[in-house]
Amino acid sequence: DSGVTQTPKHLITATGQRVTLRCSPRSGDLSVYWYQQSLDQGLQFLIQYYNGEERAKGNILERFSAQQFPDLHSELNLSSLELGDSALYFCASSVGSAYTFGSGTRLTVV
Amino acid sequence: AQKITQTQPGMFVQEKEAVTLDCTYDTSDPSYGLFWYKQPSSGEMIFLIYQGSYDQQNATEGRYSLNFQKARKSANLVISASQLGDSAMYFCAMRDDLNTGFQKLVFGTGTRLLVSP
Repeated sequence: DSGVTQTPKHLITATGQRVTLRCSPRSGDLSVYWYQQSLDQGLQFLIQYYNGEERAKGNILERFSAQQFPDLHSELNLSSLELGDSALYFCASSVGSAYTFGSGTRLTVV
Repeated sequence: AQKITQTQPGMFVQEKEAVTLDCTYDTSDPSYGLFWYKQPSSGEMIFLIYQGSYDQQNATEGRYSLNFQKARKSANLVISASQLGDSAMYFCAMRDDLNTGFQKLVFGTGTRLLVSP
């Protein structure tokens, strides 16, 4: 167990729908990062939150949004889903040299 | 911009032999960190080893060692005494350590390692 918890592990949904992925960082870690891993794009940084505030954005689509709550857990919201959004979505948290990933949520859009 | 290059799409090694997975990087930042992760078929990203740009010695973690050659901008992963369970995808990644408030990782495309009996 890495200490970073992601739910759900698997998600199957239809095109046009909206889903929410959840992440709890390791205890004491203030930063949460979201990454997308797809076959054609590889591992891509999406967005970072630090202590509740958005810190940086990467290759995140406008249909996607995220937030970090006071208890530091984070949610990634994906809307108007398309087939191409099917991917493995990772959350990570970091402090010092440690950079730890959750086990990921595998999203399949059908 | 930071960039990680892994030129070996796939590698084969026999059990109990050593294998080296190549990684080169490009950055203009003086302070950075280099990571290796293992991704088995189950999908999780497992941290293996970390090397800071100012670390004087090469990092080691059990059977994993990182051959860090700063002048050549390479950070190769060496796995000694390969085991069947080492079969997985391996990713090299880099982090900008100057801005401690923003430390995204930039990943390479990965190397798939197959260990045969």
